[in-house]
Amino acid sequence: AQTVTQSQPEMSVQEAETVTLSCTYDTSENNYYLFWYKQPPSRQMILVIRQEAYKQQNATENRFSVNFQKAAKSFSLKISDSQLGDTAMYFCAFIPYNNNDMRFGAGTRLTVKP
Amino acid sequence: EAQVTQNPRYLITVTGKKLTVTCSQNMNHEYMSWYRQDPGLGLRQIYYSMNVEVTDKGDVPEGYKVSRKEKRNFPLILESPSPNQTSLYFCASTPGGFNYGYTFGSGTRLTVV
Repeated sequence: AQTVTQSQPEMSVQEAETVTLSCTYDTSENNYYLFWYKQPPSRQMILVIRQEAYKQQNATENRFSVNFQKAAKSFSLKISDSQLGDTAMYFCAFIPYNNNDMRFGAGTRLTVKP
Repeated sequence: EAQVTQNPRYLITVTGKKLTVTCSQNMNHEYMSWYRQDPGLGLRQIYYSMNVEVTDKGDVPEGYKVSRKEKRNFPLILESPSPNQTSLYFCASTPGGFNYGYTFGSGTRLTVV
C-alpha cells in the first residue's frame, strides 16, 4: 500500500522569505503522479503544483517549485517570496498511474508572519 | 464556471437520522470520489466512481453508501450516522487520466450528535 508522510505538522515563515515543506512517500510503483494542494481557512482544496514521476525536471509554478527525488521517494515544496495569502494547510498527495486512489499526507499548517 | 458543487456546507444531525450530501460537477468528468478529512489523518477516500453505475470502496467505506446514476451527480449517503462520522467531507472529480489531479468541492462540515 502507498503511504504519504508529512513530518512537519506546523511551520512558520516571515513574509518575503523562503520556506520548504517536506513530503516522503512509499510505493513499489514506478509510474505515478505527485501533487501539492493548498487548503486556506476557506477550506477549499486548491491544486498548487503537480509532478509526473517519469519526468526528471522539477515542476515550477511561479513562486512554487518542487524538489523531486525519485530514488529517495521525496517530494518537497519550496515557496519563495512568501506572502500572507500563502497561510494555509498544505497537503502532499500521491496517485499511481493506473489507480483511482489518491493518497494524502496528514498536512502541514503553514503560517506566514508579517 | 467549471466546478464541483457540494451541499450542504454545514450540517448538524442526530445519531441514526439518515442524511444525504449532494455532489454535482459540470465538467463532464468520468471519475468522482468522496473523501473525509480528519485532523492528523489528512484526507482518506471513502468511495469512488469510475463512471455511471460503477462505484467501488476506498479506504474507509464503512457506514457510507454512494450512487452514480448520472455522470454529473455522486451523492454520499449516511444511512445511520454515528458520532465517529463527524468530519469534513469533500467530493472531488477528475477527467480520465489522473495526471490532472482532482477538482474539489467546497466541503461539508458534518457534526453528528
